[in-house]
Amino acid sequence: EVQLVESGGGLVQPGGSLRLSCAASEFTFSNYWMNWVRQAPGKGLEWVANIKHDGSEEHYLDSVKGRFTISRDNAKKSLYLQMNSLRAEDTAMYYCAKFRDFYFDYWGQGTLVTVSS
Amino acid sequence: DIQMTQSPSTLSASVGDRVTITCRASQSISNWLAWYQQKPGKAPKLLIYKASSLEGGVPSRFSGSGSGTEFTLTISSLQPDDFATYYCQQYDSYWTFGQGTKVEIK
Repeated sequence: EVQLVESGGGLVQPGGSLRLSCAASEFTFSNYWMNWVRQAPGKGLEWVANIKHDGSEEHYLDSVKGRFTISRDNAKKSLYLQMNSLRAEDTAMYYCAKFRDFYFDYWGQGTLVTVSS
Repeated sequence: DIQMTQSPSTLSASVGDRVTITCRASQSISNWLAWYQQKPGKAPKLLIYKASSLEGGVPSRFSGSGSGTEFTLTISSLQPDDFATYYCQQYDSYWTFGQGTKVEIK
């Protein structure tokens, strides 16, 4: 069974930085696009960023462009999200999600990011 | 940007009821639409892709239909395990979700 395990969330002050990680197993990680999707407390789902299987292409939500960077290490079967200049509105549960034909077929359990002073 | 609008936002129903949730896209997305189920404190789970294709392992009481700008998710006979929030998501141009429909016990 596909497993995606996120880590790296926590409490950070506005303007601070955080790096999220997602460890993948039980599928050929290097063959698939991967994503970060977030959900603010009590709110709906919002796609944040994704990266092509070989790392050659990335896409971002407009509100995070220039602040967040997605990356991957296929040898380590890991996905990352470097988040800089964090704002209160970035507070959310962040999910790692695998693409299949450009929809999300598997999700991790999420890691909570809280931006507050 | 393509906006997705679900209705209703909340739906009260009883076990055994037939339930229909509607999702409308702000422009045509062909059949590039998925549906997810999310329970409190859990990650979303894929139910339907390409508007009407049932994901493996998902009960056949779930079905999806539609194309272009209007789509529906139908649960033919609501079961206790189905009380949850449901999201539609388009993947025609980037990736956007509807605001969700909470199915609660009547």
